[in-house]
Amino acid sequence: AQKVTQAQTEISVVEKEDVTLDCVYETRDTTYYLFWYKQPPSGELVFLIRRNSFDEQNEISGRYSWNFQKSTSSFNFTITASQVVDSAVYFCALRSGQGAQKLVFGQGTRLTINP
Amino acid sequence: DADVTQTPRNRITKTGKRIMLECSQTKGHDRMYWYRQDPGLGLRLIYYSFDVKDINKGEISDGYSVSRQAQAKFSLSLESAIPNQTALYFCATSDPLAPYNEQFFGPGTRLTVL
Repeated sequence: AQKVTQAQTEISVVEKEDVTLDCVYETRDTTYYLFWYKQPPSGELVFLIRRNSFDEQNEISGRYSWNFQKSTSSFNFTITASQVVDSAVYFCALRSGQGAQKLVFGQGTRLTINP
Repeated sequence: DADVTQTPRNRITKTGKRIMLECSQTKGHDRMYWYRQDPGLGLRLIYYSFDVKDINKGEISDGYSVSRQAQAKFSLSLESAIPNQTALYFCATSDPLAPYNEQFFGPGTRLTVL
C-alpha cells in the first residue's frame, strides 16, 4: 500500500526564518513519482515540483529547495528566508507504479509566516 | 483564462437534494479526476476517467456518480446529498504522455450540505 505522512500539522515561524516541511512516503514500487502542491488561503492547489524515483538530485528554485532521499523515503521541502506570502497549506503527494493514476496525498502542513 | 475551471465555486444545499458539480478544461488532457478535501485528511480520489468511454472508481466513490460528456468536461453528481459530503471538491487533469503525468487542479468547489 502507498502512504504519505506529513507529521507536522502546523508550523508557525517569523518572517525571514528558514523552514523545512517534512514528507515521508511508503511504497513497494521501484518506480514512483513525488509531488509538492501549495494551497494558499484562496483555496486553489498550485503545483510546485515533481520528482521521479530515479532522480535523487536535489533542486533549488529561488527560495525553495527540495531534498529527496530514497534511503529514508523522504522528500522534504525547505523555504529559505520565508515571507508572509508563503503562508499556505502544503501537500506532499505520491503516485506509485508505472501505470498508476491515483495520487496519494499527505494530510498537509499548514504553514503560517508571521510578520 | 484558467486551464481547469469548476462551477459552481460555492454551493450550499440541503440534505436529500441532487447536486451536480461541473469541470471543464482547455488543456487538451485525456485524463480527468475528482477529489474531495477534508480537513486533516488531504485529498482523496472519488472517480477518474481515462477518456470519454472509460470511467473508474476511486477510493471513496460511494454516494457519487460521474459523467464524462466530452474530452473537456467531467461532471460529479451527488444523487442525494448528505451532511458528511460537505467538503472542498477538486477537479484535476493530466496528460498520460507527459513524463510525470502530473495532475493540474481546478480552483475547487466548496460544497456545504445542511
